[in-house]
Amino acid sequence: AQKITQTQPGMFVQEKEAVTLDCTYDTSDPSYGLFWYKQPSSGEMIFLIYQGSYDQQNATEGRYSLNFQKARKSANLVISASQLGDSAMYFCAMSPENTGNQFYFGTGTSLTVIP
Amino acid sequence: DTAVSQTPKYLVTQMGNDKSIKCEQNLGHDTMYWYKQDSKKFLKIMFSYNNKELIINETVPNRFSPKSPDKAHLNLHINSLELGDSAVYFCASSQVPSKPGANVLTFGAGSRLTVL
Repeated sequence: AQKITQTQPGMFVQEKEAVTLDCTYDTSDPSYGLFWYKQPSSGEMIFLIYQGSYDQQNATEGRYSLNFQKARKSANLVISASQLGDSAMYFCAMSPENTGNQFYFGTGTSLTVIP
Repeated sequence: DTAVSQTPKYLVTQMGNDKSIKCEQNLGHDTMYWYKQDSKKFLKIMFSYNNKELIINETVPNRFSPKSPDKAHLNLHINSLELGDSAVYFCASSQVPSKPGANVLTFGAGSRLTVL
């Protein structure tokens, strides 16, 4: 069974501080991709970062980095130097290679950046 | 030059009506999807088409019928709308991944359907 778990329904962070959003996953597929998407209050889904299961290094995209711990099956998103515009819902997702482009999403974490 | 565009953005209708949501992508992607996001923000795949061929059809009532006239378009038609169909429907597209699992989804802006 494929499953994504985000255990933090809501998080608060002070502006300019770093924050970690947790994500664990479960799959028996040896090859998969892990993703984070941001959904601001305006509703659109914005791709943030991708990590391949065979990638040796953790992915980084600007202020976003993905802390990938394969043995623990975790793919936490780290946002550095939080900005007010980072306030949004954040979704972790997984796409196992052998599921025909199927994506599995977590339930999301609502992040609020406090000035 | 919107990459994935879906119309309408808002749709308010009565129970029992039939409605359609259109989606077009100009990214040259091979695969298109429909996702449903419920009131608790949970995203669930409904359908996936690859080059006009249906490849994923989750447990969705047969009142929902996708139609893909070409690989750049994937429309969603809903018959006999029910209150529980109220949700945000997202169209998305992706390209054949360059490496395993790397099929990044590009989403449309969403269509908020409200059934009264």
